Amino acid sequence: RKEVEQDPGPFNVPEGATVAFNCTYSNSASQSFFWYRQDCRKEPKLLMSVYSSGNEDGRFTAQLNRASQYISLLIRDSKLSDSATYLCVVSPYGGATNKLIFGTGTLLAVQP
Amino acid sequence: GAVVSQHPSWVICKSGTSVKIECRSLDFQATTMFWYRQFPKQSLMLMATSNEGSKATYEQGVEKDKFLINHASLTLSTLTVTSAHPEDSSFYICSAPQRALDQPQHFGDGTRLSIL
Repeated sequence: RKEVEQDPGPFNVPEGATVAFNCTYSNSASQSFFWYRQDCRKEPKLLMSVYSSGNEDGRFTAQLNRASQYISLLIRDSKLSDSATYLCVVSPYGGATNKLIFGTGTLLAVQP
Repeated sequence: GAVVSQHPSWVICKSGTSVKIECRSLDFQATTMFWYRQFPKQSLMLMATSNEGSKATYEQGVEKDKFLINHASLTLSTLTVTSAHPEDSSFYICSAPQRALDQPQHFGDGTRLSIL
């Protein structure tokens, strides 16, 4: 079983749609969780950290369920510029100074 | 602006060549840096953790004699792919964490390596 699993997609949605991505992780002791965005042939960029209480940043909402070892990302009012691969990332040992385990990513294509 | 600089961005070499990739932290010191590899349509896979002043820690299945890592200063880590072959062609990317635990890791722009 992979340490971090995601639906690879692609998710093809129209502009303005709401789309949700899910992710599961295998190590119950994992400490830190993130969503990164990766554009084609580019480096990953942090989208947001994920906290147990849930957090929101504009059109983006992230949720963490430790009991189910499940992470989600919700994007509301999709824009064309949201088209990218969204990576679910887990840090097994916590803190930003430790290694990151990446999911395979979910490809989002927002259509005009 | 960029906080981690990676060089070169692109490399095309003949099989058997050794290739060195540099990763520099800008405006901060990084005692630890991470090296990842990403094959097409696959996720980033951690290859090794680079530790300033000591030996790198390699992930299972990564040949340390093939992928030489040197972290001689607090701002520079290098990855050398020795005697590269076509199967080593990939996207190599480094990251460096800042000391503050609430700061995310910063990634370099990545190096696209093509071995002919």
